[in-house]
Amino acid sequence: DADVTQTPRNRITKTGKRIMLECSQTKGHDRMYWYRQDPGLGLRLIYYSFDVKDINKGEISDGYSVSRQAQAKFSLSLESAIPNQTALYFCATSEGGTVKETQYFGPGTRLLVL
Amino acid sequence: KQEVTQIPAALSVPEGENLVLNCSFTDSAIYNLQWFRQDPGKGLTSLLLIQSSQREQTSGRLNASLDKSSGRSTLYIAASQPGDSATYLCAARFRETSGSRLTFGEGTQLTVNP
Repeated sequence: DADVTQTPRNRITKTGKRIMLECSQTKGHDRMYWYRQDPGLGLRLIYYSFDVKDINKGEISDGYSVSRQAQAKFSLSLESAIPNQTALYFCATSEGGTVKETQYFGPGTRLLVL
Repeated sequence: KQEVTQIPAALSVPEGENLVLNCSFTDSAIYNLQWFRQDPGKGLTSLLLIQSSQREQTSGRLNASLDKSSGRSTLYIAASQPGDSATYLCAARFRETSGSRLTFGEGTQLTVNP
């Protein structure tokens, strides 16, 4: 079984709809992240969380919100989806704390906003 | 602004060729530099992580180097195979950014032709 899972894998929605993307991990990591990937722009950080009580904005958090329901679960919400939120969304986890830290990524959710 | 750039955006080579992918970053104050592989429909897989105190890391046919003074990293792939076809991303963890945030390059799409 995959260590980091994302649901749904693909989603089509309409402008103005509220949607939630979910991420679960079995790695036991405290740190979790949400990124979006757009063609030609690489991955950009939306939100991150260092533990259940810690939520922080990344570089492009406008239009998004998150919820850390448990150590293993981190959800991303689009309160009112707009077409320029069409992108590939990745969840990631890390153990944190050292120069050896690496991040482990889920398979991604492809979102299309019409 | 801390940025990561990858050149070229796409590369096509015949099977068996040795190749180099390039990554440059704007700030030498980094914790580490990582190389990831991204396959269509899948998440990112970490290939190599070079800590700021290291000059290179090797894994099988892959060798990554780091030169902080010039702000450059290279990923060398020896004896390329069709299975190496994927998008390769480099990411820097800058000391000045919060949240263990990785700053990604745009990626190099590699095609190895049989």
